Amino acid sequence: QVQLQQWGAGLLKPSETLSLTCDVYGGSFSGYYWSWIRQPPGKGLEWIGDIYHSGSANCNPSLKSRVTISVDTSKNQFSLKLSSVTAADTAVYYCARGYGDYEDHWGQGTLVTVSS
Amino acid sequence: QSVLTQPPSASGTPGQRVTISCSGSSSNIGSNTVTWYQQLPGTAPKLLIYSNNQRPSGVPDRFSGSKSGTSASLAISGLQSEDEADYYCAAWDDSLSGRVFGTGTKVTVL
Repeated sequence: QVQLQQWGAGLLKPSETLSLTCDVYGGSFSGYYWSWIRQPPGKGLEWIGDIYHSGSANCNPSLKSRVTISVDTSKNQFSLKLSSVTAADTAVYYCARGYGDYEDHWGQGTLVTVSS
Repeated sequence: QSVLTQPPSASGTPGQRVTISCSGSSSNIGSNTVTWYQQLPGTAPKLLIYSNNQRPSGVPDRFSGSKSGTSASLAISGLQSEDEADYYCAAWDDSLSGRVFGTGTKVTVL
C-alpha cells in the first residue's frame, strides 16, 4: 500500500527557510501529482502547491514568491522549500498524493514552528 | 484563505442524519468536482468523497456527497460516535489556478 513519510526541521527562526521532504513508498510515482498542504494550529487547510512527476509545478498565488517544490523521481521523493518564514507560517505541513481532483494518501504531518 | 464556506459546526444524536453544506462560486464548485475529507483529532485528513459523490473503498455508505450549481453537501446517515471529526470540502478554483478548501465543519455526536 502507498505510504508517505515526511521529514524536516520543526523549529525555525523568522527569515529562515523551511525545508521538508516526503518519501513515497509503495505504488507508482509516475502518473500522480504530489502536493503540500498546511494547517495552522486550530485552523483550516491551505493548499501550498503541487508538482507532477514530470517536474511541472503549481503554487498558491499567495505563497508563490516564497515557495519551491521539487521532485526526485530516482528517490521517489518530493520536497518543499518556503523562504523568509514568519510566525504566520507556523502550521502542520502535510504532503499528499494527488490523483485527478483529490488527494488520496497523506503523510503524517510535520509541525513547523517559527519563533525567535 | 478559504473561499469555500461551511457551517462551523453540526451535531446530532447517534443514528440521526447530519448534513454539511459547502458554498462556493462559478470558478470552483460551479465548474469543478468537489472532494470531502474527514479529519479525526490529531490526525491527517482522510479522503471521504471524491468526484462529488464517489466513495473510496473502505468508506461506509453512510457517507454520501452531492453537488448542485455552486454548492455541495455531505450527508452522514446513521451517525456514529466515531464520526466525530472535522470535515472539509475542497475544489479546484479556475480563477486562482489553485486548490481551495472549505472553512471546515466540526461534527459533534451528542
